[in-house]
Amino acid sequence: GEDVEQSLFLSVREGDSSVINCTYTDSSSTYLYWYKQEPGAGLQLLTYIFSNMDMKQDQRLTVLLNKKDKHLSLRIADTQTGDSAIYFCAESRSSASKIIFGSGTRLSIRP
Amino acid sequence: NAGVTQTPKFRVLKTGQSMTLLCAQDMNHEYMYWYRQDPGMGLRLIHYSVGEGTTAKGEVPDGYNVSRLKKQNFLLGLESAAPSQTSVYFCASSYGTSGRAYEQYFGPGTRLTVT
Repeated sequence: GEDVEQSLFLSVREGDSSVINCTYTDSSSTYLYWYKQEPGAGLQLLTYIFSNMDMKQDQRLTVLLNKKDKHLSLRIADTQTGDSAIYFCAESRSSASKIIFGSGTRLSIRP
Repeated sequence: NAGVTQTPKFRVLKTGQSMTLLCAQDMNHEYMYWYRQDPGMGLRLIHYSVGEGTTAKGEVPDGYNVSRLKKQNFLLGLESAAPSQTSVYFCASSYGTSGRAYEQYFGPGTRLTVT
């Protein structure tokens, strides 16, 4: 079946890099996403990567995909207090099919 | 544009009561979704709709019904609420046939408590 797993918590010092990891089981996954949820709000699409890519960079965000190991990571450079949120890894088989979400990683920033 | 709005924001129900959650979007999206979010379990899809007049079951549909009579609205009903339905409910919408269903826009959520 389809499953997406990620660790529940991550704490980093302000200014350091944050790396949030995710593994998935569906070998048919074509689209992989990172969503961000700030306190009291809904989820917001942060970035995504297609399964035929290894890496995608967008300003402070770097997404790495190891398709062989079914491992996805999100790196946030120069982590700021505004990055405190829950980050959800997600996958889908196509651009029009349902999305399977992980349970979310709560990122906290310490001074 | 308001994006995706949900009403109400909070609600407390007694076991056995019924209620309807309303979701509205003003982005002309084809697809709409209802999720529930429980601690440590991420988001689970309850029901979804790929167009006006159509609905389909998601991962956890039992105890819920939905309707999509108008393209911009997606209603989630609980006919007889149970404590296990205590959760935060999120509505989302996305483009569908244009191939961007992955870019879902979420509402702010409804926190429901069933006692």
